[in-house]
Amino acid sequence: GDSVTQMEGPVTLSEEAFLTINCTYTATGYPSLFWYVQYPGEGLQLLLKATKADDKGSNKGFEATYRKETTSFHLEKGSVQVSDSAVYFCALSATGAGSYQLTFGKGTKLSVIP
Amino acid sequence: KAGVTQTPRYLIKTRGQQVTLSCSPISGHRSVSWYQQTPGQGLQFLFEYFSETQRNKGNFPGRFSGRQFSNSRSEMNVSTLELGDSALYLCASSFASGGGYNEQFFGPGTRLTVL
Repeated sequence: GDSVTQMEGPVTLSEEAFLTINCTYTATGYPSLFWYVQYPGEGLQLLLKATKADDKGSNKGFEATYRKETTSFHLEKGSVQVSDSAVYFCALSATGAGSYQLTFGKGTKLSVIP
Repeated sequence: KAGVTQTPRYLIKTRGQQVTLSCSPISGHRSVSWYQQTPGQGLQFLFEYFSETQRNKGNFPGRFSGRQFSNSRSEMNVSTLELGDSALYLCASSFASGGGYNEQFFGPGTRLTVL
């Protein structure tokens, strides 16, 4: 079945440091790929998405590129802020048969210290 | 537009009891999905409903069930609760117009504790 593997944290960075969270996937066909963020006590928010190979999703300074050849969708940010502290989830959706089921990675907790 | 709402936000039950969780999707959204989030297993898909029909189901025992009403509101029920059912239950809604991906919007979740 479909699966997502992402680096497990926790990850602790100083403010303005460079962030990379690795994500690789296994899926049949051409899934859509996503990064979600979860702040303490809240649900999930979509951070960015890419729906086909070589697409780059970007939002709030975060970027991720859909690499079909390496089945990867790594999340990057050039300069993190304290407000970026949260748990980040990589996910895929194999949108066959009209269902939008999301398959998630285990999540990576990011802590940014001043 | 109001977001996805879930009630109750917190729930404490004892083993063997049953529980019903409610989800109200964003107005106009026809698809509602449910996920279970635990520290050990992470986020796992429970089921998805579209126009009152279950369209997809995850790998959970039959104690977990759901339904969707004509106004798209959804409920999930867990019978004969076990300690391992303690989790954050998240609901997500989508417009689901068909073809390609429709963004799913998540509610804040219901935190269920089974004692």
